[in-house]
This record gives sequence, C-alpha cells and structure tokens, in this order.
Amino acid sequence: GAVVSQHPSRVICKSGTSVKIECRSLDFQATTMFWYRQFPKQSLMLMATSNEGSKATYEQGVEKDKFLINHASLTLSTLTVTSAHPEDSSFYICSANPRSHHSTDTQYFGPGTRLTVL
Amino acid sequence: GENVEQHPSTLSVQEGDSAVIKCTYSDSASNYFPWYKQELGKGPQLIIDIRSNVGEKKDQRIAVTLNKTAKHFSLHITETQPEDSAVYFCAASKGQNFVFGPGTRLSVLP
Repeated sequence: GAVVSQHPSRVICKSGTSVKIECRSLDFQATTMFWYRQFPKQSLMLMATSNEGSKATYEQGVEKDKFLINHASLTLSTLTVTSAHPEDSSFYICSANPRSHHSTDTQYFGPGTRLTVL
Repeated sequence: GENVEQHPSTLSVQEGDSAVIKCTYSDSASNYFPWYKQELGKGPQLIIDIRSNVGEKKDQRIAVTLNKTAKHFSLHITETQPEDSAVYFCAASKGQNFVFGPGTRLSVLP
C-alpha cells in the first residue's frame, strides 16, 4: 500500500519551454501533496504544499508563477515548470499524505522526475 | 523554525556490522520523526518512524530511538547487508511539513 507514482521519470527540454510533471497516489486518497526539489548530493527542499481544491502554499523563495501547482483531485497533483531554464534542472519529487486518521502526518514519496533543461 | 542536523555525513561499515545514524532537532514542539532511505536516482522510501509519545521502535533489523529531553533521535541498523547501502535522511515535523536532515551516505562493504 501507499504507492505514489510520478510521470515522466525523466525529461529533457529546451530552454524557454514548459514541462508538466504528474504525481498520483495509486492506492489511497491524499489530503495533501508536497513538491520537493533535490540537487545532486543534497537534501530534499520543500517547494510547495498543495491541498485538493485549494491554492498551493509556496515556500519562501519559490516563484509561484514559475512553478504552477494544480491539485485537481485527491489522487492527482501536477507541477508545471514554466519557461524552464538550465538552472531549473534538478530532481523533482512529490509526496502524498494519506487521508487516514492513523497517519495524518506520514508522507509517501514518488520515484522522482529528473528534469534537464538544455 | 525547525533545524535538523544529521551525523555522520558518510559511514562505511563491514557487512554484518551495525550502523548508527544520529539526528538532532531544535523545535521541542516537533512530534513526528520519520527515516527515509534513498537509493541512487530514486525517491525516498519510508523505512521507520517514531512519534514523540514513544521512546523506541523496532522493525526487524531497523530500530529508532528518541530522546525528547535531549532532542535527538537515532537510526540503528543491525546485521548490515550490501543492499542497505544508500543515503538515509531523517526528518522532524510538528504538522504536515517535514524538515529533513542533510543525509548520511551509508556504504556496506562486502
């Protein structure tokens, strides 16, 4: 149980284009989904928190107009990197918080998406 | 805000030996402490967690201890195997948002 998928697993795009990453909770409903960015040999940095049907909450320093988050349902959240630039190249990972009274704070992570902007 | 430190940053052990990774946190209100294992190119996998009302938790070869007074918690892996080699992250939270430690790269030498 508690499986989270991400698509695509890796993407290469040209500078200036937009890229959409999908995050799905496969066997549970997620009250909240989180988006992280991880640079090589570094820890996970939270970008934003999203709740189904409401606007995402972005961490300080994360541009909300550049990283668009949509949480359309209890099992799907999307992150769109708009007008991507080489400095946006990174490993993007989502996580989901199950809608369960037993685990209101546990996060299960997806496999990550490797974005390379040329 | 919360700050989580993790030591050591790298750890090499012989297969069959034990490995211990320690984390400290700064916010006494934090009440949930998960540990994640991340293999190269993959997402973090939850391996064990502990809540502030418990001092120790064990799951087969993995155990976690929590000292709320000292604000530190540790991951213990016994009888290490080569497949335990990975980066391990601790985290602390008092709600939904996690603060992660910087990670420990564990290498289990055959």
